[in-house]
Amino acid sequence: EAGVAQSPRYKIIEKRQSVAFWCNPISGHATLYWYQQILGQGPKLLIQFQNNGVVDDSQLPKDRFSAERLKGVDSTLKIQPAKLEDSAVYLCASRRVQGREEKLFFGSGTQLSVL
Amino acid sequence: QQQVKQSPQSLIVQKGGISIINCAYENTAFDYFPWYQQFPGKGPALLIAIRPDVSEKKEGRFTISFNKSAKQFSLHIMDSQPGDSATYFCAARTGSYQLTFGKGTKLSVIP
Repeated sequence: EAGVAQSPRYKIIEKRQSVAFWCNPISGHATLYWYQQILGQGPKLLIQFQNNGVVDDSQLPKDRFSAERLKGVDSTLKIQPAKLEDSAVYLCASRRVQGREEKLFFGSGTQLSVL
Repeated sequence: QQQVKQSPQSLIVQKGGISIINCAYENTAFDYFPWYQQFPGKGPALLIAIRPDVSEKKEGRFTISFNKSAKQFSLHIMDSQPGDSATYFCAARTGSYQLTFGKGTKLSVIP
């Protein structure tokens, strides 16, 4: 099966600018996640979607971050305005469940550098 | 608040040796414990996972040992190979299907 697609691969912006990331999950996967991975740390959940609805966005800094999944397929994550501490890799993942087995498939991420 | 503590931060193992990475958790609501492998420039990929009703799970050279009473679990990589050099993350999931990751262990397998 095709993997989770993310773009762009890299993005360099100055602080206070805005940026958007795009994710296309594996076909048929209803659950989509955005994670933030700061260098040297594990991924941290930002938001979880089930189809086009938000399941949990409790860890999303809503004063600057927003995300949507309008048609229940692809998703965008936006940061406006960006801060230096937003420099990280932003990972998108989708979930497959087969009986008791579940698996998250991650994209390769978008590496954001805020200068 | 770090809910999953992982150690060591880095690990160097000789080819053919055993790599052991440990994790501990506090939240007893966690019900699924996967390990992910991440190569530079790639997203994490599921390696092996265990549920708390099982004390051990083995898949090829990879084994998870799970101690429910101690709230600890570990990954053992037998016959470690240079191709196993990567960063490994333990994780724990709640019933709402959200993963909490450890901080990762960078494994280097030297020939």
